[in-house]
Amino acid sequence: NAGVTQTPKFQVLKTGQSMTLQCAQDMNHEYMSWYRQDPGMGLRLIHYSVGAGITDQGEVPNGYNVSRSTTEDFPLRLLSAAPSQTSVYFCASSYSSRSTRDTQYFGPGTRLTVL
Amino acid sequence: RKEVEQDPGPFNVPEGATVAFNCTYSNSASQSFFWYRQDCRKEPKLLMSVYSSGNEDGRFTAQLNRASQYISLLIRDSKLSDSATYLCVVNLPGNTPLVFGKGTRLSVIA
Repeated sequence: NAGVTQTPKFQVLKTGQSMTLQCAQDMNHEYMSWYRQDPGMGLRLIHYSVGAGITDQGEVPNGYNVSRSTTEDFPLRLLSAAPSQTSVYFCASSYSSRSTRDTQYFGPGTRLTVL
Repeated sequence: RKEVEQDPGPFNVPEGATVAFNCTYSNSASQSFFWYRQDCRKEPKLLMSVYSSGNEDGRFTAQLNRASQYISLLIRDSKLSDSATYLCVVNLPGNTPLVFGKGTRLSVIA
């Protein structure tokens, strides 16, 4: 199993550009989520999904869209990039959102800089 | 009050030392608890779950105190390779995402 994969690893955007961060998992996990991590702020949840076709907002959803058309993929779209979205983005998955003891597996992260 | 609070550190300790981190949580109905480890510029990875009876994995011991609403992580005989940020993670009731603390940074010095 490849686990959780993210592409790209690094990205530089100009203000106003849009792009999609890709996330895929091959573990047949129900639950997937996106976090951003900034210095001193810890991990902050952007959006999450408890299964295909179901998404919900996390703590900081503004400026981001997600969709979950398949179990495997959970792309994160930046609609109009802003410098405040410069961050490291992690995708994570776990077998089930209903199990309180499921391990979350994280992807390697995407480092995004918005100029 | 934040849902999960940790001392950010850094904790700078010599090799071989014993170091302990605490983490407090605000929701008394929280159901499960974890410690994750994050190396510099890497993704977080599960270190260990925290059970009510306490649990040990080699040099690492995790404890839960429900009455005082805190969990702890004890690292004995610290190694240079233990240098990392340790994240306290809490699972709230219901179908809700995990809540991550901001992490405690540990530097083990030779």
